[in-house]
This record gives sequence, C-alpha cells and structure tokens, in this order.
Amino acid sequence: QKEVEQNSGPLSVPEGAIASLNCTYSDRGSQSFFWYRQYSGKSPELIMSIYSNGDKEDGRFTAQLNKASQYVSLLIRDSQPSDSATYLCAGGGNYKLTFGKGTLLTVNP
Amino acid sequence: NAGVMQNPRHLVRRRGQEARLRCSPMKGHSHVYWYRQLPEEGLKFMVYLQKENIIDESGMPKERFSAEFPKEGPSILRIQQVVRGDSAAYFCASSLSQGAPGFNEQFFGPGTRLTVL
Repeated sequence: QKEVEQNSGPLSVPEGAIASLNCTYSDRGSQSFFWYRQYSGKSPELIMSIYSNGDKEDGRFTAQLNKASQYVSLLIRDSQPSDSATYLCAGGGNYKLTFGKGTLLTVNP
Repeated sequence: NAGVMQNPRHLVRRRGQEARLRCSPMKGHSHVYWYRQLPEEGLKFMVYLQKENIIDESGMPKERFSAEFPKEGPSILRIQQVVRGDSAAYFCASSLSQGAPGFNEQFFGPGTRLTVL
C-alpha cells in the first residue's frame, strides 16, 4: 500500500525562525511531490511542487527531494504567524496523489 | 473567479437521503479529482474523471457512491442512502491536460462539508 508519512507534530517555532517539515514515501514509482497548506476549515492550497532530486526555492519556501532516501522536506524561512496551518505532503504518479496526514505548524509572535 | 468551484459549501442530509455535490474545474482544466477528508485523517483519493470518462475510481466505496463529469456542466459526486459515516469534507480538485507543463498540479476547490444527521 502506498503511504506518505509526515512528522506528526505539532511543530511550534518562534516568528522569524526556520520551520522544517519532513515527509517520507513508500512508493518508489512516485514521480511528483507537492506541499499543500491547509488552514483550519479551509481547502488545501498548493504551495510547492517538486519533481527532481535537489532543492527548489520559491520565496521563503524551499522544497527538497531525495528519491534515493524517499524523502521530501519543506523549509519555511522567516516564519510568520500567518504561516500557522497544517502542511500536507503529497506524492504520486501521473494523477493519483497520496497525502500524508499533515503536520500542524504554529508560529508564535 | 477562475478557481475551482464547488457547491453547496455545506450540506445537511438525514440518513437514507441522497447527497449531490457539484464541482466546476478551473478554467482551462479538463481533469477532475474528488477527495474525501474525514476528521483527523488525511485526504483520500476517491475518483479521477475526464469529460464523459471515469479514468480511475479505485478510491470510491463500491456501493452508494458514483461520480460523473458530463460533456456539459459540472462534475457530480452522488452519494445515495447516506449514513452517518459519510459525514466529511469532500474536495474537488482540477488539473491541466496531460502533457501540459505542471499538468499534474492539482488545485482544490473550497469543499463541501456534508453532515448526515
């Protein structure tokens, strides 16, 4: 069974710190990986996609992928209280995504 | 608003009634996915559709659940004879056609919160 595991959290960081979110996946056939942010009571919002080994940066966000270790991570630099949300890691092939249960991040002012 | 649209946003049904959830994909998107999110659980894939075709329904319960994406109009997720265990948030997502850059990036609608009394 294909699984995506995330560090369970919750994770609490002070404002301005780096938040590190981690994810492992079991399906070696997975080609695409995504990070979604979900505020309480809202829908998931795509914040990063990554397809190749290495780092991908977008503003304060950096996604890292290591296919050999089957590991995906998301770093949030200069964390803001508005970053407080549940972060969902997802992996998949051409269309079917398997989601982790999410990590709740709280950024304290 | 060019985003994914879902309605209703909230739906209350009594046990045994039918629930119909609608989804209009983002403009330019032709692929639709339905996911279910139960309290304290992750998003679970239910079904993947293109216009007039069900591509993968491996996540759909075998009974009472069906989905369609007609040539005209929104995609519909239908739940017959609802039970309390069907209470959940149902999200629709859409993506571009395969082959387009970023084709498998899925964008979610606001969801329908179904409550079964």
